[in-house]
Amino acid sequence: DAMVIQNPRYQVTQFGKPVTLSCSQTLNHNVMYWYQQKSSQAPKLLFHYYDKDFNNEADTPDNFQSRRPNTSFCFLDIRSPGLGDAAMYLCATSRDHGQPEAFFGQGTRLTVV
Amino acid sequence: AQSVTQLDSQVPVFEEAPVELRCNYSSSVSVYLFWYVQYPNQGLQLLLKYLSGSTLVESINGFEAEFNKSQTSFHLRKPSVHISDTAEYFCAVSDPGGYNKLIFGAGTRLAVHP
Repeated sequence: DAMVIQNPRYQVTQFGKPVTLSCSQTLNHNVMYWYQQKSSQAPKLLFHYYDKDFNNEADTPDNFQSRRPNTSFCFLDIRSPGLGDAAMYLCATSRDHGQPEAFFGQGTRLTVV
Repeated sequence: AQSVTQLDSQVPVFEEAPVELRCNYSSSVSVYLFWYVQYPNQGLQLLLKYLSGSTLVESINGFEAEFNKSQTSFHLRKPSVHISDTAEYFCAVSDPGGYNKLIFGAGTRLAVHP
């Protein structure tokens, strides 16, 4: 089945040690998003790609970066994770700007120790 | 700027009882409206959406929501809940003229008791 796949499902990293979360999609959607969801809070958009164009939300910390090497894959890099970065990270896709339905992956729960 | 308010953080209900989860939004432009459901340690699943047309939208598992423009609401209802409906429910809006960025409410935890 076509879907959005996030790996790993659970990630433990050390304080300050760079970590990369991955997302792949078989939907061939143009738009890919990364949301951060802290415990008992609503998801919050960090950034998104429209094709190769990167769009950062104004309040996304510089500690968060992203790469999209091709249509299918998108990575979230956290350069120096702090304890406050512990959260569920959700990847989502949508077909195009005019197709508003977003499809979410299962998420990666990041723990910082 | 857009915002979403979910008026109840938790809703406990007995199995087979009706339920309503409330959602109000604020926006200076027309919006798309969504309800997503999240089970523990899972991603978000789209439950239903309002884009245009009929203001009453239904999901395949018995939920429905009604878009009320004058009250800027999009409340979610189900006439008879099951234990399996226990989850977190998020109401969200997006701007049709934007890039489908979703603005979420804080969520409502529905707890269905036997």
